[in-house]
Formats: sequence, C-alpha cells, structure tokens
Amino acid sequence: DQQVKQNSPSLSVQEGRISILNCDYTNSMFDYFLWYKKYPAEGPTFLISISSIKDKNEDGRFTVFLNKSAKHLSLHIVPSQPGDSAVYFCAASGVSSNTGKLIFGQGTTLQVKP
Amino acid sequence: KAGVTQTPRYLIKTRGQQVTLSCSPISGHRSVSWYQQTPGQGLQFLFEYFSETQRNKGNFPGRFSGRQFSNSRSEMNVSTLELGDSALYLCASSFDPAESPLHFGNGTRLTVT
Repeated sequence: DQQVKQNSPSLSVQEGRISILNCDYTNSMFDYFLWYKKYPAEGPTFLISISSIKDKNEDGRFTVFLNKSAKHLSLHIVPSQPGDSAVYFCAASGVSSNTGKLIFGQGTTLQVKP
Repeated sequence: KAGVTQTPRYLIKTRGQQVTLSCSPISGHRSVSWYQQTPGQGLQFLFEYFSETQRNKGNFPGRFSGRQFSNSRSEMNVSTLELGDSALYLCASSFDPAESPLHFGNGTRLTVT
C-alpha cells in the first residue's frame, strides 16, 4: 500500500516557465510534508516543508501548497532553471510521533530545457 | 558545517557475506535514520536511532540491524547478504525530526553478486 504517490514519473518544462510537481497521500495521520531534490550519485537535498496547520509555504522560487481535504500537495518552481533538473521526492511523516521516519513517493524526474 | 558523511561510497560483496556501513551525522544532530533506495521500491525507511536508542523500525527482516554510538555516529549491518540487498543505502540526520528536516548523506552503493 503506497501511502505517498507521485503519479507523474517525469515532467519537462521550458526554462523560465513554472514547474508544478504533484503528490497525493492517503494517510490522514500525516501532518508534516517535505520535498527533496536528488541528483544522480548524491543523497536527497531538502528543499521545503509544510506542516498541516498551513496551506502554503514559500522559500524563494519554491512554493509548496497543501490541500488537506484532497490529501494533495504540490511544489511550484518559478521560474524554472536548467539547474533544477533532478528527481523530486515528496515525503510525509506524522511529526507528532517525533521520529525520523519519512514515507517517500516514487519521485518525479524534472527536466528543464534551456 | 560538515554534512552527513557515509563510508564507504561503494561496496561489492558476495551473497552470504555480511557488511557494515558507517554514518557520521552533522555535528549536534542526535537522530540518525537509515533508508534503502532501489529502482523498484524507491526510498524505504529502515530504522532510526536517537540518543543511542532505536526509536522506530521499518519493515525489513532481522538481517538488517543498526546501532548508534555516544557521539551519535551510527552503523548499519546487513548479514547473510542476498542479491536483492543491492541498493543505495542512505543515512540522514536531524537535531530533532519533530522540529527540523532530515539531511541526507550521499549514500553507500552496495552491490551483491
């Protein structure tokens, strides 16, 4: 049972445009969500997070939106740059359980074309 | 501040052998978690240690074990290796996962032949 799903394995956008990566979850106990970026041969790098008490969080070019009723979150990258080309993972946890256990989606490969 | 350091970066082992992987967390971080990444299963949680105690465990067989030392460094051990254990093993640290995100190392690529 996959509790966190990223239904789009890949996404291709033009440099300067918006990239929107989507993530759905099934477990209503999740209350903390994160996005990580991963380059080949490197570990995931933390990008941005959001707790369930918010519906939006911004950090520079990155914005995460959370729709709790739909159990859906999305990551917006504006404007997209070629250096953003990587695999993006959505992750969730029950932060109230105070543990380092994250449930990851399968990832979406983003390609930003110059 | 140095990041999470994992050693070795690459390992080749034979079926039936055992292996130990090492992780040095970011200075001051008390929580260390281990994840396995494979093409088919994605990133899966193995276990977490906090202040030398295993706080949570994923759905992996008992062949997978770990420990954490008083300086927060952690080791992961896999005994009786199987071909399916070939994967990228990632270590992540955090001061406190309830308050801050996990920071990952670059992983150890284990190949079992």
